[in-house]
Amino acid sequence: EIVLTQSPGTLSLSPGETATLSCRASESVTRFLAWYHQKPGQTPRLLIYGASNRATGIPARFSGSGSGTDFSLTITSLEPEDFAIYYCQQRSAWPATFGPGTRLEMK
Amino acid sequence: EVQLLESGGGLVEPGGSLRLSCAASGFKFTNFAMAWVRQAPGKGLEWVSLIRVNGVEAYYADAVRGRFTISRDNSRDTLQLHLNRLTGDDTAVYYCVKDGISGSWDSWGRGTLVVVSA
Repeated sequence: EIVLTQSPGTLSLSPGETATLSCRASESVTRFLAWYHQKPGQTPRLLIYGASNRATGIPARFSGSGSGTDFSLTITSLEPEDFAIYYCQQRSAWPATFGPGTRLEMK
Repeated sequence: EVQLLESGGGLVEPGGSLRLSCAASGFKFTNFAMAWVRQAPGKGLEWVSLIRVNGVEAYYADAVRGRFTISRDNSRDTLQLHLNRLTGDDTAVYYCVKDGISGSWDSWGRGTLVVVSA
């Protein structure tokens, strides 16, 4: 099983700042890496697929990068609605796995 | 607009069974693999199972293989998950999800809560 590790566990920032979240895979997932966020009480929403492609309706302030085992999600000019839990997910190999999440909280 | 509406959750005793359903609309159901992802209370996301368009190829997480069965009815645009021999570890919100690009899941239902308790 490919294990995804996310860091940091919690990130405290203020609106307007830039967030950089990391996801590391235990073995290469090439670019089969997606990012989601989940706001309290809501359903997860796809942000990025294929490591760097924004999903439909996702603002340009969200960007993904990386390949192989190291990936990052960058959110520039944080908006209040961006504070949520962020998960990475791979389906390069079965079983599909999610990372444990990074909580982005407002400072 | 893609809509995924889950149903069938509820309270069940350990060792019991349940059948979850997901009614899909707003897209061509027969063009996409479908999956179930669950989330235990206060915990992260866990993939459960996926079924290909042909309804034959299916994949399961180790934690549920042999106890859960995924199926789909392409004539009714519905996805099902049969849950057997349930334990407390299966307590979670179960989300129906639509396959996206590069192994992502681009649409999620609101989820249905399964509680396994005596």
